[in-house]
Amino acid sequence: DAKTTQPPSMDCAEGRAANLPCNHSTISGNEYVYWYRQIHSQGPQYIIHGLKNNETNEMASLIITEDRKSSTLILPHATLRDTAVYYCIVRVGTDMRFGAGTRLTVKP
Amino acid sequence: DVKVTQSSRYLVKRTGEKVFLECVQDMDHENMFWYRQDPGLGLRLIYFSYDVKMKEKGDIPEGYSVSREKKERFSLILESASTNQTSMYLCASSFEVVGTDTQYFGPGTRLTVL
Repeated sequence: DAKTTQPPSMDCAEGRAANLPCNHSTISGNEYVYWYRQIHSQGPQYIIHGLKNNETNEMASLIITEDRKSSTLILPHATLRDTAVYYCIVRVGTDMRFGAGTRLTVKP
Repeated sequence: DVKVTQSSRYLVKRTGEKVFLECVQDMDHENMFWYRQDPGLGLRLIYFSYDVKMKEKGDIPEGYSVSREKKERFSLILESASTNQTSMYLCASSFEVVGTDTQYFGPGTRLTVL
């Protein structure tokens, strides 16, 4: 059962903001929203996570809607090295289940 | 920065061989995990460990065993490798926290069993 829905692919111009959406309409009150990315043939890289509030770190910002049914990951100034598959996961405890993700391609 | 390292990036073994995959983390994390990742199947948890000498089966433990003799090191053992164990193997570690944990992954080992 997929807990999240993401577009299969997106393109972004280098230097522009990349906004990656995620729907999680069945999220439970104690589930966190996590984002990871995976560059081809490498291990997943943690980006950011949140429960209710918007979050920002050195890599990205996470915007969670008030009803928590969807979220958006924002890479403020995308570079070619941000080309990867981005996974949105809702989870609690140590459960870690990746869906198909969004393949983001950053173009020069 | 959290650093999780795995002993090999690429490994080729023959059917029936005993295979050791090593994982080391340098952040004093209590939890360590072994996953395999296959196209179309996502991540599947093989084993995890909450503490030294502790281990718990994940979703697909058959054909695998693990060892955690030191806090920073978690080994995955394939007792007798088979072709259906050809996969990308990922190690992860995390702190024990209330609610959920943030898992940090190693670079992965791509194992091919011939």
